[in-house]
Amino acid sequence: DGGITQSPKYLFRKEGQNVTLSCEQNLNHDAMYWYRQDPGQGLRLIYYSQIVNDFQKGDIAEGYSVSREKKESFPLTVTSAQKNPTAFYLCASSIRLGRNQPQHFGDGTRLSIL
Amino acid sequence: ELKVEQNPLFLSMQEGKNYTIYCNYSTTSDRLYWYRQDPGKSLESLFVLLSNGAVKQEGRLMASLDTKARLSTLHITAAVHDLSATYFCAVAPVERWGKLQFGAGTQVVVTP
Repeated sequence: DGGITQSPKYLFRKEGQNVTLSCEQNLNHDAMYWYRQDPGQGLRLIYYSQIVNDFQKGDIAEGYSVSREKKESFPLTVTSAQKNPTAFYLCASSIRLGRNQPQHFGDGTRLSIL
Repeated sequence: ELKVEQNPLFLSMQEGKNYTIYCNYSTTSDRLYWYRQDPGKSLESLFVLLSNGAVKQEGRLMASLDTKARLSTLHITAAVHDLSATYFCAVAPVERWGKLQFGAGTQVVVTP
């Protein structure tokens, strides 16, 4: 079955540590996205990628970094510069970047501070 | 600043009754999406509304879009327990090309 796989499901970060969240899709989608969800709030866009080797900042990119070396993979690194990383992180993909393209979501990674 | 406002943010429903969730947005857009999220889970796509006057129905849920009023509604008919979840609307305005702007979500609890 095609879909989006995020790992790990739960992740803990120590002070000053960088951590990387994995996102893999086998839908053959060009566009991929990372969102952050805080309790009682909607999703906010961190980074997005239209195509391999290209990515753009979203609305809250500070303290995060990404790479897109393969079409299937879009890992997100939460750096030590992100002072409030505790949140639910969702990865999504769509066939291409565009207004008519529904986004499909992974099951999420819950990140907490130790 | 683009705003997407849902109301109510919390909705306690009685089984068998009808309810409506509203999604207002502050910019021009004729593309709107509705998603459902169960606690601790991912988002599931419910409806894609791609034009003014669009109406989509699936089971007890019906969504509509009025781009002139910048309003979408999600109507729930004869609520059942299985519909308990958080519902999000997301707008795709021209100026954000492909990048969705989400509302804060409406948490729905259906009780007997």
